[in-house]
Amino acid sequence: DGGITQSPKYLFRKEGQNVTLSCEQNLNHDAMYWYRQDPGQGLRLIYYSQIVNDFQKGDIAEGYSVSREKKESFPLTVTSAQKNPTAFYLCASSPSPGTGALEQYFGPGTRLTVT
Amino acid sequence: AQSVTQLDSQVPVFEEAPVELRCNYSSSVSVYLFWYVQYPNQGLQLLLKYLSGSTLVKGINGFEAEFNKSQTSFHLRKPSVHISDTAEYFCAVAGGTSYGKLTFGQGTILTVHP
Repeated sequence: DGGITQSPKYLFRKEGQNVTLSCEQNLNHDAMYWYRQDPGQGLRLIYYSQIVNDFQKGDIAEGYSVSREKKESFPLTVTSAQKNPTAFYLCASSPSPGTGALEQYFGPGTRLTVT
Repeated sequence: AQSVTQLDSQVPVFEEAPVELRCNYSSSVSVYLFWYVQYPNQGLQLLLKYLSGSTLVKGINGFEAEFNKSQTSFHLRKPSVHISDTAEYFCAVAGGTSYGKLTFGQGTILTVHP
């Protein structure tokens, strides 16, 4: 089955600790994205990557970091600099722009709680 | 820059009634429009998309949407809803130099009552 996996489903951390959220896809998609979802605010883009070893900041990148060493993987680190990290985090991927397909496919999400 | 406004944060409706979820967008270039559905504590699933061609787009689960360029709208409709349609619905837009990046609306929670 092709798809996007995010682990873990629920994550709890103490304030001041860095935490890394996993995102893996076996869809052979070039582009990958990280979103943050808070109630009533829709999805806000944190980082995105259109190709291996390259990524760009989204609208709310402060306090987050990413890497893209493999096509299949796009982990997100929530650092201690992120002032309000408790949220639902969603990873997505999409095919190469040349295919004409623009829709994004989403993983099941990770709910992070920082206390 | 582009933006999306979903005009209703919550829409309650009775089972088997019709429903319309409203979405307006702003963009200075040609756009591509999407509707996604999210069930509680899950990721988003694509319902339908408009890229070009016919302005009436049919999607999964009996939903359809109409692209109206003059009114910059992309409203989602279903003629008869089921309890299982209870979820949050997101409208999104992509276009221009932001190719591949989606801008999402704030979401509309559809609650179907028996």
